[in-house]
Amino acid sequence: DSGVTQTPKHLITATGQRVTLRCSPRSGDLSVYWYQQSLDQGLQFLIQYYNGEERAKGNILERFSAQQFPDLHSELNLSSLELGDSALYFCASSIRDSYGYTFGSGTRLTVV
Amino acid sequence: AQKITQTQPGMFVQEKEAVTLDCTYDTSDQSYGLFWYKQPSSGEMIFLIYQGSYDEQNATEGRYSLNFQKARKSANLVISASQLGDSAMYFCAISREEKQAGTALIFGKGTTLSVSS
Repeated sequence: DSGVTQTPKHLITATGQRVTLRCSPRSGDLSVYWYQQSLDQGLQFLIQYYNGEERAKGNILERFSAQQFPDLHSELNLSSLELGDSALYFCASSIRDSYGYTFGSGTRLTVV
Repeated sequence: AQKITQTQPGMFVQEKEAVTLDCTYDTSDQSYGLFWYKQPSSGEMIFLIYQGSYDEQNATEGRYSLNFQKARKSANLVISASQLGDSAMYFCAISREEKQAGTALIFGKGTTLSVSS
């Protein structure tokens, strides 16, 4: 167990729907990162939160949004889902600098 | 912008042999970190090894070592004495060094390693 908890592990939903992926970072970690892994795009950084504030944005679509709550858990919201959004979504956390990175086990999203 | 290039889509090795997985990077940052991760078929991302850009010695972690050549911008992973359990996808990644908040990792496309008996 890496200490980073992602739920659910698997999610199957229809096109046009909206889903929420949840991430609880390792205890004490202030930064949360979201990544998308798909066959055609590889592992892509989506967004980072640090202590409740958005810190950095990567290749995140406008249909996607995220937030980090006061207890430091984070949620990634994906709306108007398309077939191409099917992917493995990872959350990672770090206490401060990048060396302490820890990944969760991921949420596998299938859009049908 | 930072970029990682892994030119070997697949590598094949026999048990107990050593294997080198190539990684070159591009960055304009003076201070950065280089990472290698292993992703088995189960999907989780397993941290293997880290090298800071100012570290003078090559990083080692058990059977893993990182051959860091800063002038050539390469950070190859060497796995000694391969085991069947090493069969997986391997990703090289780079990040900026920012002590306050950390920064995102930029990943390469990965190399699939297959170890046979």
